[in-house]
Parts: sequence; C-alpha cells; structure tokens
Amino acid sequence: DAGVTQSPTHLIKTRGQQVTLRCSPKSGHDTVSWYQQALGQGPQFIFQYYEEEERQRGNFPDRFSGHQFPNYSSELNVNALLLGDSALYLCASSLRTVRIYGYTFGSGTRLTVV
Amino acid sequence: QKEVEQNSGPLSVPEGAIASLNCTYSDRGSQSFFWYRQYSGKSPELIMSIYSNGDKEDGRFTAQLNKASQYVSLLIRDSQPSDSATYLCAVNRMNSGGSNYKLTFGKGTLLTVNP
Repeated sequence: DAGVTQSPTHLIKTRGQQVTLRCSPKSGHDTVSWYQQALGQGPQFIFQYYEEEERQRGNFPDRFSGHQFPNYSSELNVNALLLGDSALYLCASSLRTVRIYGYTFGSGTRLTVV
Repeated sequence: QKEVEQNSGPLSVPEGAIASLNCTYSDRGSQSFFWYRQYSGKSPELIMSIYSNGDKEDGRFTAQLNKASQYVSLLIRDSQPSDSATYLCAVNRMNSGGSNYKLTFGKGTLLTVNP
C-alpha cells in the first residue's frame, strides 16, 4: 500500500520563476492538503483540496495555487518565486470523513530559491 | 495568541528518563489532537492521536488531553537516543459538514535524549 508520494524531492529555482510540485495521496485517501515548513518552524497550512476543488485556504498569497485531479493527485504551483518561498513543502493526504488516523505526510519537496 | 503553542525547548533528558512535552491551543472547537515526530530533514510522522479527555497510552508514549484547559501533552517513558527529534503538536477542527478542516501545527519542541 503506497504512502504519499511527492516529486521532485529537491528543486532549485531562481527568483521570479514558477514552480510546480506534485503529490499522489495514499491509496484510499481523497483529500490533499499542502503545507509549507520553513526552517525551525512548524508546517503552515497552504490549502486543502477535495473533489477537485479548493476547500480551505491558509494565509498565503494568490501566487500559490493548486489543482486536484480526478485520481485525487494534486499539484502546487507557485508563481513569481521569492527568496522567502524557500522551504520544505509537504503534502498530506487524508480521508475526508475519517479523523482517526490524522494526516499522512509525504517525504516533502525541498525548494530553494536563489 | 497563537493557535497552537508548544513549550519552546529545546528539551534535553538523559536516556531512560521521562520526557514531557506540552501544548496549548486556542480554538475550543478543536476536536482531534495529534503528536507528530519529525527527524531532521524528514517529514512528520504521526505517533499519537487523542480525541477524548484523559490519557491514551501506546507503548512508551502517553498522550493526555484536557479540553477544559485546552491542553495536550505527550509523555515519553524510558526515553531512548532514537527519540531525539522535533515533536509537533497538531489540532484538527472538523466543520459542521463533517469534512476535514485544516490541521494546525505548533512550532515544535526539539527533544534530545543523551546516552
């Protein structure tokens, strides 16, 4: 049973560029949430997708956008990259109506903006 | 007031001791509470979940929840060097429709267990 898969694992981008990160949820999960974790901080909620729609959004600018596909996989897009966007980006999957197991996290994508 | 606050740490304990990690939350509507362990450079790993007031034990780990005080704690008995990691407290508030709401994390507490 595959867990949450994220790609790529590492990425280096230049300021102003755009980046797309990908996530495949754990088998049986239908909800994908994205988090940004800066060094020394806890994960910060970016947004959550269910049924191919953005359901909840954290305090992130519109430069951060996403998408969920019919197979529940998801993408996170960040436009006009800033140095401050350098962080570990985590994808977490869950089953919408089941709270017992919490969220399962992928291994993350380390984004470095130079 | 931050939504989820953890004791700032870092916390250092000798091998075999009890490590105590604390967390408070501000949203009284929070319904589910989790402790994640995160090794340096790795993603968070769920180690405990708790939903009702009281204690929940799993091996060397005990989670405690007091909703009246909006307080969650994690005790690690017989601490081992392999327990050295950052421990993240997270709370989940489910909306009235029953769909998962966002999971909100604290900043984390770095625990070091010295051999």
